[in-house]
Amino acid sequence: AQSVTQLGSHVSVSEGALVLLRCNYSSSVPPYLFWYVQYPNQGLQLLLKYTSAATLVKGINGFEAEFKKSETSFHLTKPSAHMSDAAEYFCAVTSNQGGKLIFGQGTELSVKP
Amino acid sequence: EPEVTQTPSHQVTQMGQEVILRCVPISNHLYFYWYRQILGQKVEFLVSFYNNEISEKSEIFDDQFSVERPDGSNFTLKIRSTKLEDSAMYFCASNGGQVTIANYGYTFGSGTRLTVV
Repeated sequence: AQSVTQLGSHVSVSEGALVLLRCNYSSSVPPYLFWYVQYPNQGLQLLLKYTSAATLVKGINGFEAEFKKSETSFHLTKPSAHMSDAAEYFCAVTSNQGGKLIFGQGTELSVKP
Repeated sequence: EPEVTQTPSHQVTQMGQEVILRCVPISNHLYFYWYRQILGQKVEFLVSFYNNEISEKSEIFDDQFSVERPDGSNFTLKIRSTKLEDSAMYFCASNGGQVTIANYGYTFGSGTRLTVV
């Protein structure tokens, strides 16, 4: 069975600081991995995805994530936080093209001025 | 960019009533899903639908739930007799298989907030 663990339900950073949101996955087969962002009272927007190509994946809004098979991790980073980055971030995994997405618990990112 | 459309955006219903949540997936997509998110909690898988039938469902998706793709464009989730604990945001999603996952991932709608009173 697949699973996702996001360490830290709430992360707070200062504007301009590094953002690091952690995601570890469990999968018996090569995974597809995703990060989604959810702004208050809105839907889920795809930030980036890993689908077995390059292990360093760049997404929208300056975010990137690196797939590390040895560590079963797919951490999300952004070099410099912006106030507009404040939102809930979800890591998700699936194993095949039509399979269900399994979501982590989510990490709420706060950005302090 | 193509979108998944959900209606209504917010629905209030009385306990015991039936509700139908509607979704229009992206037109050439093949796989369709419903997820729910109880306030403050994670997004949970309910059901997946492929080739006009349910391909997988979770423990949450019990006999009070059903899905349908009645006309080749709409994808609906019916809750027969709503309970207070059904109050949540319900998301529809779709994908077109390998090519679209590589390019777009799974595309989600904006959700329907269901409030059962």
